[in-house]
Amino acid sequence: SAVISQKPSRDICQRGTSLTIQCQVDSQVTMMFWYRQQPGQSLTLIATANQGSEATYESGFVIDKFPISRPNLTFSTLTVSNMSPEDSSIYLCSVNGARRGYGYTFGSGTRLTVV
Amino acid sequence: SQQGEEDPQALSIQEGENATMNCSYKTSINNLQWYRQNSGRGLVHLILIRSNEREKHSGRLRVTLDTSKKSSSLLITASRAADTASYFCATDHLTSGTYKYIFGTGTRLKVLA
Repeated sequence: SAVISQKPSRDICQRGTSLTIQCQVDSQVTMMFWYRQQPGQSLTLIATANQGSEATYESGFVIDKFPISRPNLTFSTLTVSNMSPEDSSIYLCSVNGARRGYGYTFGSGTRLTVV
Repeated sequence: SQQGEEDPQALSIQEGENATMNCSYKTSINNLQWYRQNSGRGLVHLILIRSNEREKHSGRLRVTLDTSKKSSSLLITASRAADTASYFCATDHLTSGTYKYIFGTGTRLKVLA
């Protein structure tokens, strides 16, 4: 299965600033997925990122707040813009398994605290 | 919301006991997966069960699926302190031509040594 390197692992940011999270995959993948996990909660899908096209955002998430880049088949970034304390969460990227239905592989997550 | 429900929300057992977690979902699925998350880190895939399967085993893990009831259970036998983690089920949904996984609310398992 794929190996994902996600960074930063954690950060403490001032409100009003932006943070860009990076995910590097050790193999080429068509789709990458970005999730948010608020404290004590489950994972919520933010968007799906395909290489060469605009990301597809889920209800409640917009591109201005969470711009995503997908410049090639092994890399993606998620930016959390104009942060507020409500954005304090763990952000995770993931990719599909080698074959559809063989499970997702997740990055180790970015724990973001906005003060 | 399509999010699945898991129960119990929290479970505390003694080492050596069995732990059972349940997951219910709302729509038809192709497969259901279980994941483990240690202390807010990344998720680890445990097991996948397809919609045409009723039971699956992997080591100390046993998963059942009842598509008529839209429910699944994860049994961890002979639990160990290292099994302490949050466990999530995830179901796949075809939306606009893309399969996406929707995660359940999770069960926090604590195994006491």
